[in-house]
Amino acid sequence: RKEVEQDPGPFNVPEGATVAFNCTYSNSASQSFFWYRQDCRKEPKLLMSVYSSGNEDGRFTAQLNRASQYISLLIRDSKLSDSATYLCVVNNAGNMLTFGGGTRLMVKP
Amino acid sequence: ETGVTQSPTHLIKTRGQQVTLRCSSQSGHNTVSWYQQALGQGPQFIFQYYREEENGRGNFPPRFSGLQFPNYSSELNVNALELDDSALYLCASSSGQLRDTEAFFGQGTRLTVV
Repeated sequence: RKEVEQDPGPFNVPEGATVAFNCTYSNSASQSFFWYRQDCRKEPKLLMSVYSSGNEDGRFTAQLNRASQYISLLIRDSKLSDSATYLCVVNNAGNMLTFGGGTRLMVKP
Repeated sequence: ETGVTQSPTHLIKTRGQQVTLRCSSQSGHNTVSWYQQALGQGPQFIFQYYREEENGRGNFPPRFSGLQFPNYSSELNVNALELDDSALYLCASSSGQLRDTEAFFGQGTRLTVV
């Protein structure tokens, strides 16, 4: 079993739609959690950190459920520019990051 | 731009050869981590260097080795290349070992082994 699991997609959604991605992790001692965005053939870039209290950044909302070892990302009012791969990332210790396989999002006109 | 630079950007090597990839960390960052990303997969942690010492290692064989220099730049060396080593190699720099410090990635080196 992979330490961080994501649905690979692709999620094909129209502009303006709301889309949600989920991720599960297996190490209950994991310390911090992130969503990264990766465009085709580019490096991953931090989208947002994820906290138990939930956090929101514009159209993006992330949530952590430690009891269920579950992380989510919600994107509202999808834009064409949101098309990318979204990587769920767990930091177990000292920035040695464990990545999920990524979920591909394609937003269409 | 993250301030993390990797070289070369692309490389083609023959099976059995050796390769060295380089990473310059962002100014003020003393920790460099290396990741391997095969096509269609998420990055996998290879190892991390903190103040010139290997600080942690993922599930990679000993033919993957590295160095960190006094200026905190780093090298990844892979010996006896195999076809499955073909991947995007990413380095990430961060400051110290704080859990919530953002890791900044370089643009990667795309290695093809033929």
